[in-house]
Amino acid sequence: GAVVSQHPSRVICKSGTSVKIECRSLDFQATTMFWYRQFPKQSLMLMATSNEGSKATYEQGVEKDKFLINHASLTLSTLTVTSAHPEDSSFYICSAYPPGVRREKLFFGSGTQLSVL
Amino acid sequence: KQEVTQIPAALSVPEGENLVLNCSFTDSAIYNLQWFRQDPGKGLTSLLLIQSSQREQTSGRLNASLDKSSGRSTLYIAASQPGDSATYLCAAQGGSEKLVFGKGTKLTVNP
Repeated sequence: GAVVSQHPSRVICKSGTSVKIECRSLDFQATTMFWYRQFPKQSLMLMATSNEGSKATYEQGVEKDKFLINHASLTLSTLTVTSAHPEDSSFYICSAYPPGVRREKLFFGSGTQLSVL
Repeated sequence: KQEVTQIPAALSVPEGENLVLNCSFTDSAIYNLQWFRQDPGKGLTSLLLIQSSQREQTSGRLNASLDKSSGRSTLYIAASQPGDSATYLCAAQGGSEKLVFGKGTKLTVNP
């Protein structure tokens, strides 16, 4: 099946630094990728939809200037948390679906646990 | 706005028991309903996907049903094993491809 790779799996950083998370589709091209965030004991919440070659679409309440998304190629989308603060500590996970397949089967990366000190 | 609720939030059962996890959604205009498994600190594993036109799907010891009219889905796990211990998430997908997740049910199967 399709594989989505996400790195790093865990990152600890100081408050005020920026953190980049990569999401790669290893064996298919993905024009669209999705970024989710999960706080402890909460549900996964969609943050933004990443579109190759165009601007990302952000969900209501998500700061686009804080969470920078770049989908520069058909196999790579990056999420950069700028000037991270402790309240940004969360589990971030990306997903994508292969082209030519009905948009029902999303494949997920393994997620990134971000801890901001 | 779609809202997905999962009951119970946590469940602990002895090995071998059959169990049912419940999921409800507020907007019946869904494209499909999916069940995932999430292990601590890890990503999601897709378990079952039920199209809006289907009533149920089966995979091994897992059976998921869907009742769109009542906004409910259930995941049935037969003969539970300790390896089934994980958090189970259901998610409703609308026409925009977006998945709306429930908070999950944390399952513990005791040997």
